[in-house]
Amino acid sequence: AQSVSQHNHHVILSEAASLELGCNYSYGGTVNLFWYVQYPGQHLQLLLKYFSGDPLVKGIKGFEAEFIKSKFSFNLRKPSVQWSDTAEYFCAVTPNTDKLIFGTGTRLQVFP
Amino acid sequence: GAGVSQSPSNKVTEKGKDVELRCDPISGHTALYWYRQSLGQGLEFLIYFQGNSAPDKSGLPSDRFSAERTGGSVSTLTIQRTQQEDSAVYLCASSLEGTIGELFFGEGSRLTVL
Repeated sequence: AQSVSQHNHHVILSEAASLELGCNYSYGGTVNLFWYVQYPGQHLQLLLKYFSGDPLVKGIKGFEAEFIKSKFSFNLRKPSVQWSDTAEYFCAVTPNTDKLIFGTGTRLQVFP
Repeated sequence: GAGVSQSPSNKVTEKGKDVELRCDPISGHTALYWYRQSLGQGLEFLIYFQGNSAPDKSGLPSDRFSAERTGGSVSTLTIQRTQQEDSAVYLCASSLEGTIGELFFGEGSRLTVL
Protein backbone atom coordinates (compact mmCIF):
# COMPACT_ATOMS: atom_id res chain seq x y z
CA ALA A 1 0.00 0.00 0.00
CA GLN A 2 1.11 3.54 -0.64
CA SER A 3 2.35 5.14 2.54
CA VAL A 4 4.76 7.36 4.41
CA SER A 5 7.03 5.50 6.82
CA GLN A 6 8.90 6.81 9.80
CA HIS A 7 10.82 3.93 11.29
CA ASN A 8 12.14 5.78 14.34
CA HIS A 9 9.20 5.97 16.73
CA HIS A 10 11.08 7.34 19.72
CA VAL A 11 14.53 8.92 19.76
CA ILE A 12 16.38 10.00 22.90
CA LEU A 13 19.43 12.24 22.62
CA SER A 14 21.62 14.42 24.77
CA GLU A 15 22.04 18.09 23.94
CA ALA A 16 24.63 18.76 21.20
CA ALA A 17 24.17 15.30 19.68
CA SER A 18 23.45 15.08 15.98
CA LEU A 19 20.01 14.10 14.78
CA GLU A 20 18.75 12.20 11.77
CA LEU A 21 15.13 11.09 11.49
CA GLY A 22 14.20 8.76 8.69
CA CYS A 23 11.30 9.20 6.29
CA ASN A 24 10.47 6.98 3.34
CA TYR A 25 7.48 7.11 1.03
CA SER A 26 6.11 4.66 -1.46
CA TYR A 27 4.32 6.95 -3.90
CA GLY A 28 5.46 7.15 -7.50
CA GLY A 29 5.49 10.17 -9.74
CA THR A 30 5.84 13.73 -8.55
CA VAL A 31 5.75 14.25 -4.82
CA ASN A 32 6.08 17.27 -2.60
CA LEU A 33 7.68 16.57 0.77
CA PHE A 34 7.31 18.17 4.17
CA TRP A 35 8.34 17.93 7.77
CA TYR A 36 6.01 19.19 10.46
CA VAL A 37 6.77 19.59 14.16
CA GLN A 38 4.52 19.52 17.22
CA TYR A 39 6.10 20.96 20.37
CA PRO A 40 4.56 19.88 23.69
CA GLY A 41 1.21 21.57 24.17
CA GLN A 42 1.35 23.35 20.83
CA HIS A 43 -0.26 22.83 17.46
CA LEU A 44 1.44 21.29 14.45
CA GLN A 45 3.56 23.66 12.40
CA LEU A 46 5.54 23.44 9.20
CA LEU A 47 9.28 22.91 9.66
CA LEU A 48 10.42 22.70 6.05
CA LYS A 49 9.28 21.71 2.57
CA TYR A 50 10.62 20.41 -0.72
CA PHE A 51 8.96 20.97 -4.09
CA SER A 52 11.80 20.88 -6.62
CA GLY A 53 15.36 22.06 -7.23
CA ASP A 54 18.16 21.65 -4.72
CA PRO A 55 17.44 18.39 -2.89
CA LEU A 56 18.94 19.76 0.31
CA VAL A 57 16.44 22.09 1.93
CA LYS A 58 16.86 24.19 5.01
CA GLY A 59 14.12 24.99 7.46
CA ILE A 60 13.66 26.87 10.67
CA LYS A 61 15.75 26.38 13.83
CA GLY A 62 18.73 24.86 12.03
CA PHE A 63 16.91 21.86 10.60
CA GLU A 64 17.56 20.55 7.11
CA ALA A 65 16.32 17.65 5.02
CA GLU A 66 17.67 15.85 2.00
CA PHE A 67 15.50 14.43 -0.77
CA ILE A 68 17.04 11.30 -2.29
CA LYS A 69 14.78 10.30 -5.15
CA SER A 70 16.42 6.93 -5.77
CA LYS A 71 15.80 5.94 -2.16
CA PHE A 72 12.32 7.50 -1.87
CA SER A 73 13.62 9.22 1.24
CA PHE A 74 13.43 12.64 2.86
CA ASN A 75 15.41 12.42 6.08
CA LEU A 76 15.47 15.24 8.59
CA ARG A 77 18.78 16.32 10.12
CA LYS A 78 20.20 18.73 12.64
CA PRO A 79 23.91 18.86 13.52
CA SER A 80 23.45 19.74 17.19
CA VAL A 81 20.13 19.38 19.01
CA GLN A 82 18.92 21.48 21.90
CA TRP A 83 16.57 20.67 24.76
CA SER A 84 14.01 22.93 23.06
CA ASP A 85 13.91 20.55 20.08
CA THR A 86 11.99 18.06 22.19
CA ALA A 87 8.85 17.48 20.14
CA GLU A 88 7.10 15.09 17.81
CA TYR A 89 8.19 15.23 14.18
CA PHE A 90 6.00 14.21 11.26
CA CYS A 91 7.04 13.59 7.69
CA ALA A 92 4.34 14.24 5.07
CA VAL A 93 3.82 13.87 1.33
CA THR A 94 1.44 15.30 -1.25
CA PRO A 95 1.42 12.66 -4.00
CA ASN A 96 0.17 14.47 -7.11
CA THR A 97 -2.71 16.08 -5.23
CA ASP A 98 -3.21 18.65 -2.52
CA LYS A 99 -4.07 15.95 -0.01
CA LEU A 100 -1.31 15.81 2.62
CA ILE A 101 -0.50 12.32 3.90
CA PHE A 102 1.44 12.03 7.14
CA GLY A 103 3.70 9.41 8.60
CA THR A 104 3.20 8.02 12.09
CA GLY A 105 5.57 10.49 13.68
CA THR A 106 8.81 10.32 15.68
CA ARG A 107 8.93 11.45 19.25
CA LEU A 108 12.23 13.18 20.04
CA GLN A 109 13.38 13.69 23.61
CA VAL A 110 16.49 15.78 24.23
CA PHE A 111 18.05 15.73 27.66
CA PRO A 112 20.29 18.54 28.95
CA GLY B 1 -9.45 35.13 14.11
CA ALA B 2 -5.72 34.86 13.65
CA GLY B 3 -5.56 31.09 13.52
CA VAL B 4 -7.64 27.98 13.01
CA SER B 5 -10.17 27.68 15.79
CA GLN B 6 -11.65 24.38 16.94
CA SER B 7 -14.37 23.61 19.43
CA PRO B 8 -14.88 22.00 21.80
CA SER B 9 -11.30 21.53 22.95
CA ASN B 10 -12.38 18.54 25.00
CA LYS B 11 -15.42 16.33 24.68
CA VAL B 12 -16.32 13.33 26.80
CA THR B 13 -19.26 11.31 25.62
CA GLU B 14 -20.87 7.97 26.16
CA LYS B 15 -20.68 5.16 23.67
CA GLY B 16 -23.54 5.38 21.19
CA LYS B 17 -24.01 9.15 21.39
CA ASP B 18 -23.50 11.50 18.45
CA VAL B 19 -20.89 14.27 18.59
CA GLU B 20 -20.21 17.35 16.50
CA LEU B 21 -16.81 18.99 16.24
CA ARG B 22 -16.44 22.45 14.79
CA CYS B 23 -13.63 24.09 12.84
CA ASP B 24 -13.33 27.75 11.91
CA PRO B 25 -10.48 28.13 9.39
CA ILE B 26 -8.28 31.12 8.78
CA SER B 27 -10.16 33.76 6.85
CA GLY B 28 -9.49 33.49 3.13
CA HIS B 29 -8.20 29.94 3.25
CA THR B 30 -9.98 27.89 0.61
CA ALA B 31 -8.80 24.44 1.66
CA LEU B 32 -9.86 22.71 4.87
CA TYR B 33 -8.74 19.34 6.20
CA TRP B 34 -9.74 17.04 9.02
CA TYR B 35 -7.24 14.60 10.52
CA ARG B 36 -7.41 12.20 13.45
CA GLN B 37 -4.43 11.80 15.77
CA SER B 38 -4.20 8.69 17.90
CA LEU B 39 -1.32 7.27 19.93
CA GLY B 40 0.90 5.23 17.67
CA GLN B 41 -1.21 6.00 14.58
CA GLY B 42 0.18 9.36 13.61
CA LEU B 43 -2.12 11.69 11.71
CA GLU B 44 -4.82 9.88 9.83
CA PHE B 45 -6.38 11.80 6.94
CA LEU B 46 -10.17 11.97 7.14
CA ILE B 47 -11.58 14.48 4.66
CA TYR B 48 -10.48 17.43 2.52
CA PHE B 49 -12.50 20.38 1.20
CA GLN B 50 -11.10 22.60 -1.57
CA GLY B 51 -13.19 25.57 -2.60
CA ASN B 52 -16.38 24.56 -4.36
CA SER B 53 -15.08 21.16 -5.46
CA ALA B 54 -16.58 17.95 -4.17
CA PRO B 55 -14.83 16.98 -0.93
CA ASP B 56 -12.33 14.12 -0.84
CA LYS B 57 -13.93 11.77 1.69
CA SER B 58 -11.60 8.87 1.06
CA GLY B 59 -10.21 8.88 4.60
CA LEU B 60 -13.46 8.64 6.53
CA PRO B 61 -13.23 5.33 8.43
CA SER B 62 -16.92 4.44 8.33
CA ASP B 63 -20.33 5.80 7.39
CA ARG B 64 -20.73 6.98 10.99
CA PHE B 65 -18.38 9.82 10.08
CA SER B 66 -19.46 12.78 7.99
CA ALA B 67 -18.41 16.37 7.50
CA GLU B 68 -19.76 19.45 5.88
CA ARG B 69 -18.48 22.88 5.15
CA THR B 70 -20.95 25.71 4.99
CA GLY B 71 -20.40 28.78 2.87
CA GLY B 72 -16.82 27.80 2.16
CA SER B 73 -15.83 28.58 5.73
CA VAL B 74 -16.84 26.78 8.94
CA SER B 75 -16.79 22.99 8.93
CA THR B 76 -18.47 20.47 11.19
CA LEU B 77 -17.30 16.88 11.64
CA THR B 78 -20.07 14.62 12.90
CA ILE B 79 -19.55 11.20 14.42
CA GLN B 80 -22.73 9.19 14.90
CA ARG B 81 -23.15 6.37 17.39
CA THR B 82 -19.67 6.89 18.81
CA GLN B 83 -17.49 3.91 19.69
CA GLN B 84 -14.57 3.71 22.08
CA GLU B 85 -12.15 3.39 19.18
CA ASP B 86 -13.25 6.86 18.04
CA SER B 87 -11.40 8.34 21.01
CA ALA B 88 -8.65 10.54 19.58
CA VAL B 89 -7.67 14.13 18.93
CA TYR B 90 -9.43 15.50 15.86
CA LEU B 91 -7.36 18.13 14.09
CA CYS B 92 -8.54 20.67 11.59
CA ALA B 93 -6.23 22.55 9.24
CA SER B 94 -6.63 25.11 6.50
CA SER B 95 -4.48 26.44 3.71
CA LEU B 96 -4.46 29.06 1.00
CA GLU B 97 -5.28 28.05 -2.54
CA GLY B 98 -2.08 27.16 -4.36
CA THR B 99 0.01 26.53 -1.23
CA ILE B 100 0.32 22.78 -1.57
CA GLY B 101 0.90 21.03 1.73
CA GLU B 102 1.39 24.21 3.75
CA LEU B 103 -1.25 23.69 6.36
CA PHE B 104 -2.13 25.74 9.41
CA PHE B 105 -3.47 23.56 12.19
CA GLY B 106 -5.84 24.21 15.02
CA GLU B 107 -5.30 23.03 18.58
CA GLY B 108 -7.56 20.04 18.06
CA SER B 109 -10.62 18.58 19.75
CA ARG B 110 -9.89 15.74 22.15
CA LEU B 111 -12.71 13.21 22.07
CA THR B 112 -13.07 10.58 24.75
CA VAL B 113 -15.74 7.94 24.35
CA LEU B 114 -16.54 6.08 27.55
